[in-house]
Amino acid sequence: AQTVTQSQPEMSVQEAETVTLSCTYDTSENNYYLFWYKQPPSRQMILVIRQEAYKQQNATENRFSVNFQKAAKSFSLKISDSQLGDTAMYFCAFMKQETSGSRLTFGEGTQLTVNP
Amino acid sequence: NAGVMQNPRHLVRRRGQEARLRCSPMKGHSHVYWYRQLPEEGLKFMVYLQKENIIDESGMPKERFSAEFPKEGPSILRIQQVVRGDSAAYFCASSLSISNQPQHFGDGTRLSIL
Repeated sequence: AQTVTQSQPEMSVQEAETVTLSCTYDTSENNYYLFWYKQPPSRQMILVIRQEAYKQQNATENRFSVNFQKAAKSFSLKISDSQLGDTAMYFCAFMKQETSGSRLTFGEGTQLTVNP
Repeated sequence: NAGVMQNPRHLVRRRGQEARLRCSPMKGHSHVYWYRQLPEEGLKFMVYLQKENIIDESGMPKERFSAEFPKEGPSILRIQQVVRGDSAAYFCASSLSISNQPQHFGDGTRLSIL
């Protein structure tokens, strides 16, 4: 079974600054995917970024990037130039590679507050 | 393209009643997943379905909960004889049938038990 741990229940950052959210996971699988999802106060679940475990290059999406350390089983999210709209709960998630679909295993989340 | 549609957004039931939650996947998606989010917690997997088949129900409580995804129509998560502990947000996600595609989530149904 897989587990995902987010050790920071809450974080805050000043607008325009950079913040890094931590995530570690435990698995015996070699092929898998990692995700960060954002859940704003509206409660929607929004995909922020995705990383394939077989890729060494870290994924980036505009102001969002990850630091994927496969040996350490670490998958942190960096948000640059933080904006007020980034205020949300952020969930790290793991998905085993399968021939068809596969469940997501989520961490407990980090509540990020961006202060003006 | 419409996203994943869940209804109702909010559902209130009294203890002992039945709750039916509906999920229409994105167009072209044939995989549906249900997750439950208890207050102040992360999402927990419940069940994974393809059309007319339950693929993985290892996260479903053994009693009172059932799910289906018929050939025609939305996926239904059914909770019989609801109890206070069933109060939660229930999220549906869908993905393409191609392997290892990201899951797209609906807005969730917030179930409150009086």
